[in-house]
Amino acid sequence: EPEVTQTPSHQVTQMGQEVILRCVPISNHLYFYWYRQILGQKVEFLVSFYNNEISEKSEIFDDQFSVERPDGSNFTLKIRSTKLEDSAMYFCASSEARTLYEQYFGPGTRLTVT
Amino acid sequence: KNEVEQSPQNLTAQEGEFITINCSYSVGISALHWLQQHPGGGIVSLFMLSSGKKKHGRLIATINIQEKHSSLHITASHPRDSAVYICAALYNTDKLIFGTGTRLQVFP
Repeated sequence: EPEVTQTPSHQVTQMGQEVILRCVPISNHLYFYWYRQILGQKVEFLVSFYNNEISEKSEIFDDQFSVERPDGSNFTLKIRSTKLEDSAMYFCASSEARTLYEQYFGPGTRLTVT
Repeated sequence: KNEVEQSPQNLTAQEGEFITINCSYSVGISALHWLQQHPGGGIVSLFMLSSGKKKHGRLIATINIQEKHSSLHITASHPRDSAVYICAALYNTDKLIFGTGTRLQVFP
């Protein structure tokens, strides 16, 4: 069964460093998403992406964040200058289309900023 | 403000019991998702509903649009059902709003 994959599973970085989290969505899916979950808190939407551009973003997704689909398969989340409060689990998801379609989640990347 | 409320926050059951988890949302939505989060953190989509009822194995999800309420039922619960169950609402955008989750533990 097709699945969303994410790498790395765990990333440790120092405050101020740039990190890139990678995702490979399901191949025939057209909509891509990033979410984050701070330890002990609920999952929060960061951004959605369609047709090579951001379709919606949350207030969390500030200028420090960017997303890209550099080739036909990868979908990346970049954090330019990490802060301690960026420590969280980051989930990528994809869906065939919007709204009435299920989203399929990757296993997550645990980001630890020290 | 778009909110999603779940109850209970924690639920303990004996194997075989019928489980109900509730979700309410504040304004009209286009779809509601039920998700399962395993102890390791991975998230699995269980259902996506816009109306009525869906069933998959021992899991049943219902939604009442007028009352802005959805329920997830587990029949004949089993210890492997132990997980966090999350309700998430889609408010006519791409943005899913998540509930805080219900932590379910099923004991043999």
